[in-house]
Amino acid sequence: SQELEQSPQSLIVQEGKNLTINCTSSKTLYGLYWYKQKYGEGLIFLMMLQKGGEEKSHEKITAKLDEKKQQSSLHITASQPSHAGIYLCGASVYTGNQFYFGTGTSLTVIP
Amino acid sequence: KAGVTQTPRYLIKTRGQQVTLSCSPISGHRSVSWYQQTPGQGLQFLFEYFSETQRNKGNFPGRFSGRQFSNSRSEMNVSTLELGDSALYLCASSLAPQGGSYNEQFFGPGTRLTVL
Repeated sequence: SQELEQSPQSLIVQEGKNLTINCTSSKTLYGLYWYKQKYGEGLIFLMMLQKGGEEKSHEKITAKLDEKKQQSSLHITASQPSHAGIYLCGASVYTGNQFYFGTGTSLTVIP
Repeated sequence: KAGVTQTPRYLIKTRGQQVTLSCSPISGHRSVSWYQQTPGQGLQFLFEYFSETQRNKGNFPGRFSGRQFSNSRSEMNVSTLELGDSALYLCASSLAPQGGSYNEQFFGPGTRLTVL
């Protein structure tokens, strides 16, 4: 079973459109991380959220962590082909102190 | 500062063989974690080492093992390879251990292992 569920699994959008990716946990999260991965390559850190209600932005990407710290969303405004890739959320949950990754969301941006 | 390096980048082995993968963390980082990524299972945690000690282990069979040296470099070993071990193996380093701490992990480019 997956500790972190992401939705949607895949997304195809026209360039310029906005989009949102969600990451949901059944447990309270101790730090939520968003990463981006180009196919077959390592992960690139995007953002880290620590506190419930926290929101961070970088360029056209905004991430939020809900008050209960069990769900996070990643929003991309005016998408560009450079945004294409696989987006992964990752988090530590208290039990087992292990780091889990979400199921991933594959984003394709059509020029 | 150099990033996380992994060697080799690509590897082809046959069933039954064993393989050793290497990871050099960012200078100053003492925690190294290993992950296996496959299309079917996604990114799964293998184990984490901090100061030469294994702190956490994922749900993988004993054929998967690892170690960390005093310079924080880490190796993972897979014995008696199976077809299902074909995957991208990613290594990540961080300043402090995982678990409850808000600690960014920096990932290497991965080692692509193909088992024939």
